[in-house]
Amino acid sequence: DAGITQSPRYKITETGRQVTLMCHQTWSHSYMFWYRQDLGHGLRLIYYSAAADITDKGEVPDGYVVSRSKTENFPLTLESATRSQTSVYFCASSGTSGEFFGPGTRLTVL
Amino acid sequence: SQQGEEDPQALSIQEGENATMNCSYKTSINNLQWYRQNSGRGLVHLILIRSNEREKHSGRLRVTLDTSKKSSSLLITASRAADTASYFCATDAAGGGNKLTFGTGTQLKVEL
Repeated sequence: DAGITQSPRYKITETGRQVTLMCHQTWSHSYMFWYRQDLGHGLRLIYYSAAADITDKGEVPDGYVVSRSKTENFPLTLESATRSQTSVYFCASSGTSGEFFGPGTRLTVL
Repeated sequence: SQQGEEDPQALSIQEGENATMNCSYKTSINNLQWYRQNSGRGLVHLILIRSNEREKHSGRLRVTLDTSKKSSSLLITASRAADTASYFCATDAAGGGNKLTFGTGTQLKVEL
């Protein structure tokens, strides 16, 4: 099915652990994005990618790492999770008709 | 600071009434997009309006853009209870590398 998917949808982890959130899109969009959504802050851009092997920092990149070896995938890694990274994470890809979001991953760091 | 700021923060109306939400932004943009988010769910893209457009329609949605005032409005006509959600505007700043900046949203409640 065409679209943008994220996995896992829910994740509970402990402080200090490494966590990778996956994002996959089938539109061959060049641009992909990771956002986090927190109460009182709205959506904030973590990292984005203009194409395979091209990534750049967004508004809140600290503590996160991304890679984009293939156009369709854009994984987000928390190298050493902290409680402040408890949030809902949205992946998105961008085409000529707009930016389209995945269903989100709810991450809880204990 | 947020590029897009929605107004009002919360809006409660009766079913059948029209709902108007406003968005102001600070810098020049390539386009402005509106999204809906139901409680606990993901974002749904509603409409995109480019900087050279002044008005767009999609079903019961009408979006206007005034680049001289750096503002946009979203009108939902003949609202339904199912329209209850949070609505966000997001701006693609000119020279911003295709990145969207979101406001904190307007919470719309449509009561029966």
